[in-house]
Amino acid sequence: AQRVTQPEKLLSVFKGAPVELKCNYSYSGSPELFWYVQYSRQRLQLLLRHISRESIKGFTADLNKGETSFHLKKPFAQEEDSAMYYCALSVNTDKLIFGTGTRLQVFP
Amino acid sequence: DTGVSQNPRHKITKRGQNVTFRCDPISEHNRLYWYRQTLGQGPEFLTYFQNEAQLEKSRLLSDRFSAERPKGSFSTLEIQRTEQGDSAMYLCASSLEGGYGYGYTFGSGTRLTVV
Repeated sequence: AQRVTQPEKLLSVFKGAPVELKCNYSYSGSPELFWYVQYSRQRLQLLLRHISRESIKGFTADLNKGETSFHLKKPFAQEEDSAMYYCALSVNTDKLIFGTGTRLQVFP
Repeated sequence: DTGVSQNPRHKITKRGQNVTFRCDPISEHNRLYWYRQTLGQGPEFLTYFQNEAQLEKSRLLSDRFSAERPKGSFSTLEIQRTEQGDSAMYLCASSLEGGYGYGYTFGSGTRLTVV
């Protein structure tokens, strides 16, 4: 069965600290993975996608097929990074399966 | 308007009543998705359309739920005989075919409260 697991409901760090939001997936096919972010009182929006191998707002994520992981990382957290982060798996390019999300709190 | 628009933003209804939500996708997007999100959970897939064809429905979508996308433009999601368990945020998203590598554009959602 397809599944996305985000083990941490809440991650709290201080400004300038490194951040890693964990995401593990279960999928028998070739995975396409995404990170979505929801800032306070805003709509869910795409942060980054693994196929483009890009860095957005200082965040990166590497697909590790051996560990079935797609962790989101940022070397130095900023207060404006505080938000809800969702990892998502594309199934047959037809639909996205989302994890339960991790709330990132960055303290000054 | 270049975004996905959902109406109404909030809906409070009594148990047993019918409700209908509307979603207007980005005009050039041929795929439209409905998701439901409850507190503490990620968005859960309900159904999706490619143009006017409804291609998949989740097991979550009971017989009380129906979705349409006439003419492949806007979509409506109707819930009949609402139950308290239907209380949730209903999200609409659109994408180019397959959304492959492009991700979705989400609307702001319709928050349904069944009392």
